[in-house]
Amino acid sequence: EIVLTQSPTTMTASPGEKVTITCRASSSVSYMHWYQQKPGASPKPWIYETSKLASGVPDRFSGSGSGTSYSLTINNMEAEDAATYYCQQWNYPLFTFGSGTKLEIK
Amino acid sequence: QVQLEESGPGLMQPSETLSLTCTVSGFSLTSNGVGWVRQPLGKGLVWMGTIWAGGSTNYNSAVQSRLSISRDTSKSQVFLKMNSLQPEDTGTYYCARHSSVQLTYFDYWGQGVMVTVSS
Repeated sequence: EIVLTQSPTTMTASPGEKVTITCRASSSVSYMHWYQQKPGASPKPWIYETSKLASGVPDRFSGSGSGTSYSLTINNMEAEDAATYYCQQWNYPLFTFGSGTKLEIK
Repeated sequence: QVQLEESGPGLMQPSETLSLTCTVSGFSLTSNGVGWVRQPLGKGLVWMGTIWAGGSTNYNSAVQSRLSISRDTSKSQVFLKMNSLQPEDTGTYYCARHSSVQLTYFDYWGQGVMVTVSS
């Protein structure tokens, strides 16, 4: 079973700041998906297949990575980006989520 | 448009069997798989299991012995049944649609249903 470890667990960023969230897999994987979740709301697909932005996601977001290390980056943090972000991987037949990164705005 | 809606009891007693229904619209259960994801209060997401478009199922090994996922394609409904409930099964239960891409992810989610297991 692949374990996904996200870092940091919690972070605070100022408007305009560049933010990077990392997801490390316990074994090499070929892709990563990311979800955004705000309090009281369902998760939303955010980045899929490592680097493809889901519908409606601002282009200040990007995803990259390979092997055991993947990242979600926000260029020019905005207040609306404050949320918890989860990475997710599918290693048939099991789906695994990371533990989440809570991103707050200063 | 694609929609998923969970329904079921909000309060359960320990040792009871939980039954949840996910009613979908805007797509066919024979075209996309549907998964269940649990989120304990204030904690992260945990995949519970999936029923695929072809009708086969996969389960999280942590709950596999207690969990069953089935469907009624004519009613566009997916069912989750989990027995021997414990307080640690408390949380919000989401159903979510699997995308059609090969490296599948959850592209649409229901609003979730809160389940509390308490005596």
